[in-house]
Amino acid sequence: EAGVAQSPRYKIIEKRQSVAFWCNPISGHATLYWYQQILGQGPKLLIQFQNNGVVDDSQLPKDRFSAERLKGVDSTLKIQPAKLEDSAVYLCASSLKDYGETQYFGPGTRLLVL
Amino acid sequence: QKEVEQNSGPLSVPEGAIASLNCTYSDRGSQSFFWYRQYSGKSPELIMFIYSNGDKEDGRFTAQLNKASQYVSLLIRDSQPSDSATYLCAVRPREYGNKLVFGAGTILRVKS
Repeated sequence: EAGVAQSPRYKIIEKRQSVAFWCNPISGHATLYWYQQILGQGPKLLIQFQNNGVVDDSQLPKDRFSAERLKGVDSTLKIQPAKLEDSAVYLCASSLKDYGETQYFGPGTRLLVL
Repeated sequence: QKEVEQNSGPLSVPEGAIASLNCTYSDRGSQSFFWYRQYSGKSPELIMFIYSNGDKEDGRFTAQLNKASQYVSLLIRDSQPSDSATYLCAVRPREYGNKLVFGAGTILRVKS
């Protein structure tokens, strides 16, 4: 079974630029999560999708971050404009259902904002 | 007060010893508790989860939960150098949505 795929794996941009990350969850997984992990911290949930609907985006900085999950499969997370403090690893995870299920993490995208 | 607290470490143990990792949480209504292992530069991987008070064993790993004390721990028996990693405690709060709240992690170093 293929795992969660993410791209790109690394990205370096300058502040005020925009960037987008892509995630393909495990086949058949209805729930998709985007986490932000800053160096030395645990992952923080940014947004959770159930199929293509948003379940929780309470910690998403909506003035600069946006995310979508079209057709309930792939998802993109965008930052526009980026700030220095957005430097982090962006992890995508998926689970079979929305409750009681293990979350499987992708390899992450390392973002450095200069 | 942080929702999930862990000692950042590093916790150093000799090979073959028992490593004990601890975690406290603030939401008394939390339902489920998870331990993830994260190697440097890699993504978190689930080691085990626990829902009920008491101990749960899986191979060399034992998770312990005490809801009254809002405390969860992970014991690693016969520690190996390959166990050297950051161990993340995650808690699922009471509200709907399968949201996980992670601690900052404890760095474990197993010395051969």
